[in-house]
Amino acid sequence: DAMVIQNPRYQVTQFGKPVTLSCSQTLNHNVMYWYQQKSSQAPKLLFHYYDKDFNNEADTPDNFQSRRPNTSFCFLDIRSPGLGDAAMYLCATSRDQALEQFFGPGTRLTVL
Amino acid sequence: GIQVEQSPPDLILQEGANSTLRCNFSDSVNNLQWFHQNPWGQLINLFYIPSGTKQNGRLSATTVATERYSLLYISSSQTTDSGVYFCAVLFGNEKLTFGTGTRLTIIP
Repeated sequence: DAMVIQNPRYQVTQFGKPVTLSCSQTLNHNVMYWYQQKSSQAPKLLFHYYDKDFNNEADTPDNFQSRRPNTSFCFLDIRSPGLGDAAMYLCATSRDQALEQFFGPGTRLTVL
Repeated sequence: GIQVEQSPPDLILQEGANSTLRCNFSDSVNNLQWFHQNPWGQLINLFYIPSGTKQNGRLSATTVATERYSLLYISSSQTTDSGVYFCAVLFGNEKLTFGTGTRLTIIP
C-alpha cells in the first residue's frame, strides 16, 4: 500500500544533542511537509519542499532544518533541541500544492 | 488573519449515539479536509471536501462553501471513534490552516 512512513515512532534525546527525524513516502508526491504538534494544540507547519524547492515558514526557529535528498525521503534536523522542542512531529505529502495532504504516523520527541 | 473555528470543543457521547461536528471558516477555500487524530497521535484522513457532500460508511461530511462552513456527521458511534477531530482549510496557495479541534469521547 502507498503510504507515508516515519522513523522512529518515538525518539528520546538529551538537551542540546542533535537529532534527525526521517520521513519517506511511496506515493511519489511532489510536496513534502513537516509539522510540529504540541500537546492539546493543532499541528503547526514548519516548512515544506515542493520538489527540491525549500519553503520555510517565517516563524520556524533556525534550530530546525530540513533535507530532501530525493523524491521519496525528507529529514528534519534539530540542531540543538531544547525542552520546548518536545512535541509530536508529523510528516505529510501531497501530489501538488493546494491538494489533499496525507500524514504519516508521527514521531514523538522527548527531550531530557 | 484566517480564522477556522470548530464546535463543540468537547463532546462526550454514549456508544451508539450520533453526532455533528462543525467547522466555520472566514474566507473562500480551495481545500478543506477532515482528520481524525487517534490516541496514538496519527492524523487519519477522513474527507477531502472543498464543497458538496461525501459519505464513507458511518461518516459523512458536507461543505457549504458559499456559507463558509463544513459539517462532519458520525452515526452509531463506536469507542474507536474517540479522539480529536480537526478540520483544516487552505486559502489560495497559503498553508493548510487547522481548526482548534473537537475532542470526542465515546463511552461504552
